[in-house]
Amino acid sequence: QVQLQESGPGLVRPSQTLSLTCTVSGGSISSGNYYWSWIRQPPGKGLEWIGHIYYSGTAYYNPSLKSRVSLSVDRSKNQFSLKLTSANAADTAVYYCARVIDWAFHLDYWGQGTLVTVSS
Amino acid sequence: QSALSQPTSVSGSPGQSITISCSGTISDIGGYNFVSWYLQHPGEAPKLMIYDVSKRPSGVPYRFSGSKSGNTASLTISGLQAEDEAEYYCSSYTSFNTLVFGGGTKLTVL
Repeated sequence: QVQLQESGPGLVRPSQTLSLTCTVSGGSISSGNYYWSWIRQPPGKGLEWIGHIYYSGTAYYNPSLKSRVSLSVDRSKNQFSLKLTSANAADTAVYYCARVIDWAFHLDYWGQGTLVTVSS
Repeated sequence: QSALSQPTSVSGSPGQSITISCSGTISDIGGYNFVSWYLQHPGEAPKLMIYDVSKRPSGVPYRFSGSKSGNTASLTISGLQAEDEAEYYCSSYTSFNTLVFGGGTKLTVL
């Protein structure tokens, strides 16, 4: 059974970089057929896809966030990470990591989510 | 990319059927059969209910079904049950190798 767990600071100061890591267990991040994705949900609002990355490092991003987002993979630790620069209050959200089936693009396993607040 | 369009809310009585629509464009729903639906209860992570327009993952009741016509996908829940009350989101692959979600639909079981 694949499990994903988000980790990182719950509070980020405005203009700083928001950084989160997702640890995958029960399966290898290096196995083919999957992308590894980040999704966020502002309080009381809907889901927003941030981006996804293949184990090789190839990544795709939401055009609205592309200038501030970068994803990376650490295959030795079975982890993938998100960095969002120049954080502002609008980035306050629950951040989820999830596994994406690469031939059908649906998210079959999700982490429990972690709340990140951007505030001074 | 613009979010897919879903009704804000739908409601139905136990035992009835409801349908939630999800409208997109030829660049997403209309161009690919990669539409999926997720259920989210308050405080929980989303759960995959339908993928590839109409396929159900193991463990999802037969009451849940999906379809697509042109640029619009639909989720139908038959025999409504109290535990179906939740927020539902559609999602689609897009021509830019990205994913896009709908705004979400709140289902109330009366």
